[in-house]
Amino acid sequence: SQQGEEDPQALSIQEGENATMNCSYKTSINNLQWYRQNSGRGLVHLILIRSNEREKHSGRLRVTLDTSKKSSSLLITASRAADTASYFCATDGRQAGTALIFGKGTTLSVSS
Amino acid sequence: DAGVIQSPRHEVTEMGQEVTLRCKPISGHDYLFWYRQTMMRGLELLIYFNNNVPIDDSGMPEDRFSAKMPNASFSTLKIQPSEPRDSAVYFCASSPGLSTGYTFGSGTRLTVV
Repeated sequence: SQQGEEDPQALSIQEGENATMNCSYKTSINNLQWYRQNSGRGLVHLILIRSNEREKHSGRLRVTLDTSKKSSSLLITASRAADTASYFCATDGRQAGTALIFGKGTTLSVSS
Repeated sequence: DAGVIQSPRHEVTEMGQEVTLRCKPISGHDYLFWYRQTMMRGLELLIYFNNNVPIDDSGMPEDRFSAKMPNASFSTLKIQPSEPRDSAVYFCASSPGLSTGYTFGSGTRLTVV
């Protein structure tokens, strides 16, 4: 079963604009992760945010986490055509021994 | 490091045939995961191993699916007999811990006709 649900399902923007994707989840977590998947490729880990963190940055990526609302957002600033990909959030659940469960993803299209 | 290596990249087989997918994890990673991706169901966890021992196989669809990890550098996912509904992209991933970032392979695209 999906733990995380991304919103929107698809997003189209122009190069240079910012892209924001949201993720909601159902149960308590230890951490939340974001991954990128280019067409026909495997997933690539982008960033991990722990349940006691509220915000984290990595280059042009900014992730926020609100555990009270069970939601997270991924912001990509100054987007580029190379950012075109699907983006997934994944959560581990607080129960020991739980592997990552992925949402269905947001497909981002950045046009030049 | 070459990353997580999966083979084959593409597999087309007839219904009823046995299919074996292979994975070589990153050296030193204690965890290995098998996921399946379809448009309808997204990414589903099938099974994961810790130090070569299967820990959670609750995602394995049915008895037609089996996975093994005979040593720290090799794992297989076998489907016997295969059915058209098994068509999907199968990913192997490895990680040093359960709550750390996972490194995914490029996947095996399986088509059962």
